[in-house]
Amino acid sequence: EAGVVQSPRYKIIEKKQPVAFWCNPISGHNTLYWYRQNLGQGPELLIRYENEEAVDDSQLPKDRFSAERLKGVDSTLKIQPAELGDSAVYLCASSARQDGELFFGEGSRLTVL
Amino acid sequence: QQQVKQSPQSLIVQKGGISIINCAYENTAFDYFPWYQQFPGKGPALLIAIRPDVSEKKEGRFTISFNKSAKQFSLHIMDSQPGDSATYFCAATPLGNTPLVFGKGTRLSVIA
Repeated sequence: EAGVVQSPRYKIIEKKQPVAFWCNPISGHNTLYWYRQNLGQGPELLIRYENEEAVDDSQLPKDRFSAERLKGVDSTLKIQPAELGDSAVYLCASSARQDGELFFGEGSRLTVL
Repeated sequence: QQQVKQSPQSLIVQKGGISIINCAYENTAFDYFPWYQQFPGKGPALLIAIRPDVSEKKEGRFTISFNKSAKQFSLHIMDSQPGDSATYFCAATPLGNTPLVFGKGTRLSVIA
């Protein structure tokens, strides 16, 4: 069974440029999470989806970050415009149910110059 | 406000030794406590988890000890091996639909 797939694995951009990350969760997993992991830190939740509904986006900086999960399967996280402080690894995770085990993808490492 | 405090930040253990990582929490609503293991360039993966109805859970060389009154839990890795070298994160959440809150991580190095 395929795990959580994320792309791109690495992205280097100039500040003020836009960037997008894509995530395909494990088949059948209704709950999808986007976490941000700064260097030397633990993952911090950005947004959580139940199917196509964002049920927890309180930590998402909505002035520059947006996310969507249109058909309740794959998801896209966008940053526009990117700032230097956005350099981090963006992790996508999915679970079969709200209180189930989280399965993480390998992450998308963003470097903003 | 950090809801889960993890220590130490880094740990060096001899091969065959015991690795111990500690976490403390404040929120008494937390009732699910997993540990995640992360290798460089990979996402975190669930290692072992415990609920507060038991004080200890063991899976192979990995044991979680839980102290509800002290609001602390720890991970013990017995017979530590070089392949255990990774970053370990404790986490916690109230049972239900609240997502995990992670500690800052412990970088473990097991040397031969």
